[in-house]
Amino acid sequence: GQQLNQSPQSMFIQEGEDVSMNCTSSSIFNTWLWYKQEPGEGPVLLIALYKAGELTSNGRLTAQFGITRKDSFLNISASIPSDVGIYFCAGSGSYQLTFGKGTKLSVIP
Amino acid sequence: DTGVSQNPRHKITKRGQNVTFRCDPISEHNRLYWYRQTLGQGPEFLTYFQNEAQLEKSRLLSDRFSAERPKGSFSTLEIQRTEQGDSAMYLCASSPREGLSYNEQFFGPGTRLTVL
Repeated sequence: GQQLNQSPQSMFIQEGEDVSMNCTSSSIFNTWLWYKQEPGEGPVLLIALYKAGELTSNGRLTAQFGITRKDSFLNISASIPSDVGIYFCAGSGSYQLTFGKGTKLSVIP
Repeated sequence: DTGVSQNPRHKITKRGQNVTFRCDPISEHNRLYWYRQTLGQGPEFLTYFQNEAQLEKSRLLSDRFSAERPKGSFSTLEIQRTEQGDSAMYLCASSPREGLSYNEQFFGPGTRLTVL
């Protein structure tokens, strides 16, 4: 099935550094969402974006809905060890979510 | 805990056996979704319910798969004659009916299926 192009695939960063990851699609979406998943668990919703150009923050996380409606990015500022996990972007046109393959984040203390 | 719950968390079965998973959504959510996730991939959509009505099924949902939501509350996903390729994490999600947040899908912890 269709998947979003998410990059980078993995990142190793020092604690305290900022992180940026993005997601692109050939299709337009009405909603972009960002999830975090830890081993053996389901994805946890971090941020939802509803309007092209929208910039939304949730604590140290900031995400933007691209103007073209075909892309989104997620920034994490001042990373901490508990930020470790796999971050997924997801786009929604109506009911189903289409997911990227994820960005695996490792934080070195 | 008022989140989405799934049972069992893990299931190991032999090829050819039938398995059934259960999902209890967030109580005020009327939309329920099933996804499948394999290693190194994002979740892939399987099917969607609004109340008790199954409104959409993915091509991934072969004839061996059936999902129900008889009273519009909990849902079950059954796989008949399991194959090794069915090994995956099966995720359930729910979302509210109205407002902008209807696209905000909240996931359960998943059921990890291993077919030997």
